[in-house]
Amino acid sequence: NAGVTQTPKFQVLKTGQSMTLQCAQDMNHNSMYWYRQDPGMGLRLIYYSASEGTTDKGEVPNGYNVSRLNKREFSLRLESAAPSQTSVYFCASSESGQLGGYTFGSGTRLTVV
Amino acid sequence: AQSVTQPDIHITVSEGASLELRCNYSYGATPYLFWYVQSPGQGLQLLLKYFSGDTLVQGIKGFEAEFKRSQSSFNLRKPSVHWSDAAEYFCAVVGSGSARQLTFGSGTQLTVLP
Repeated sequence: NAGVTQTPKFQVLKTGQSMTLQCAQDMNHNSMYWYRQDPGMGLRLIYYSASEGTTDKGEVPNGYNVSRLNKREFSLRLESAAPSQTSVYFCASSESGQLGGYTFGSGTRLTVV
Repeated sequence: AQSVTQPDIHITVSEGASLELRCNYSYGATPYLFWYVQSPGQGLQLLLKYFSGDTLVQGIKGFEAEFKRSQSSFNLRKPSVHWSDAAEYFCAVVGSGSARQLTFGSGTQLTVLP
């Protein structure tokens, strides 16, 4: 089925460990996004990529890095995980001209202990 | 910068009752507004969107929303709620960044009583 695939679905990390969250879309969308969702705070944008080869910071980029590997894939890396990064992470994609019409992945639930 | 506010953290309605979820936006220009729904353990799904024109927009699952510029509001409504509507609802506005990224409200959790 066409859509946005995130891996892994669940992850537990120890403080200081690193990991990469993977995201891939098969809809040929130009733009991709990483959000984190925390209770009572909605979704906050971490990084986004307007098109292949470009990335930009969102609202809460500290502690994260991203790579737009190709048009399909957009990964999020935590270099040294902290408990404050415990959250649910969502990847989304959209076509450039399709304002706000995001397709979301099903999320990665990350716990940092 | 653009922002949206959802004043109600949690709303409870009985099945069959009408529903209105509130959303207020702050944006200098004409806003592009959206409502998304998130079922438990799932990603977000687009319910409806407003770009321009008719201020009453229809969406999926029987939802509608009305844009009121004078009140800076974009409230979501449904005449008769079904138990399957229990979910979290997010209002969002498109910003002016290069990817026209969405800014979300904090969400309203809807509980439906039998």
